[in-house]
Parts: sequence; C-alpha cells; structure tokens
Amino acid sequence: QKEVEQDPGPLSVPEGAIVSLNCTYSNSAFQYFMWYRQYSRKGPELLMYTYSSGNKEDGRFTAQVDKSSKYISLFIRDSQPSDSATYLCAMSAISGTYKYIFGTGTRLKVLA
Amino acid sequence: DAGITQSPRHKVTETGTPVTLRCHQTENHRYMYWYRQDPGHGLRLIHYSYGVKDTDKGEVSDGYSVSRSKTEDFLLTLESATSSQTSVYFCAIRPGQGDTEAFFGQGTRLTVV
Repeated sequence: QKEVEQDPGPLSVPEGAIVSLNCTYSNSAFQYFMWYRQYSRKGPELLMYTYSSGNKEDGRFTAQVDKSSKYISLFIRDSQPSDSATYLCAMSAISGTYKYIFGTGTRLKVLA
Repeated sequence: DAGITQSPRHKVTETGTPVTLRCHQTENHRYMYWYRQDPGHGLRLIHYSYGVKDTDKGEVSDGYSVSRSKTEDFLLTLESATSSQTSVYFCAIRPGQGDTEAFFGQGTRLTVV
C-alpha cells in the first residue's frame, strides 16, 4: 500500500462546477499538507499549504485536512477552464529529513 | 519559477552512457531535491541535499548519484543510463527552517534509447 493514495482521474466537470479532489494517507506523522497544480509539461506549483487539521481558504480554493481520518481535500468553487491541470497532494512530517511524499496526481478537465 | 533553472531541458542519450543534470538556484535556499515523475507513480524522491556537501538518498536512488559543492548548484548523475531511467526529472528547493513549501523547476525530459 502506498503511503499516499490519490485517484488519478481524469475528472471532467462543466465550467462553474464545484470540484472536490482528495487524498488519503497512512502515516500519522504527517503534519504539513500541500496541494500543487501542474499544467502540462510544466513543473508543479504550490497552490495551498496547511498545517495539521482544519480548513484553509484562498479565493476559490479551500483545503481541508482531517487527521483523524487521514484524509485531505481540495475544493475548487466556480471552476474555470484555466483550472484544467493535474493536482498533486503532498505531505511531510513535522521533523526529520523534511522529505515530501506526493500522491500520483488527479487530472482535472473543466469543460467550457 | 522561484529562481530555479534546470539544464538541459531535454536530452536523448544512449543506454550505458553517463548523464548529468544540473539544478541551479538563485534563492540561497538550504534544501534541494531531485524527483522523477512517471505515469502512475507521481513524483518520487531520488536524492536530496540539506546543505553544501550534505546529501541523502530518497526512495528511488539506485543508479543515481548527486553532488552539491555550492549552495546554488545540485547535480544529478545517472552513472550508466538505462531505459528505465527515461522520465521527467524535477528539481525542487525549499527555504529551510520548518516544513515550508517547496518550489519546483520546469523539469528535464530525459529519454534513454
């Protein structure tokens, strides 16, 4: 079993829809949770960053962390065609070697 | 792109040849990472560095070596390239204290024939 699991998709939604992207993990030591967006043939770019449990909102994006369930989510409201990309979750433990563990990514397509 | 430059951006090489990929940063960040990205596997850590001359292995380090003689440069060497090392390689940097976000380069697409 992988340390981080993410549905690869692809996920196709109409423009304006609310999108929910999710990751589950098995390592209870993870404390830092990130969502990256990666456009085709580009490097990943950080979208959201949260520490421990709770919610964080930034514009149309909301990140949720439920440590009791070992489950994190990214919600995109009023999705746009420009949101079409692969979304990667990533996690890191609070101390140690500062290595990030990434999910495989979910490919999202927002249809105009 | 947070001051990260990867070179080359594309390379085709033959099986058995050594290959070196370069990551150069202008941010003076302490931590540097090399990842490979393959379909179905996502990003996997090859090696990372936590300072000049301080490096450690990641989860897929076999067949790779790294060096960091200056803060700004982190080199990844494929000692004898194999077809299984055909991939997209990403360098990432992270500032240092605490677990803050990592910033990625644009990637190097390597094909081993």
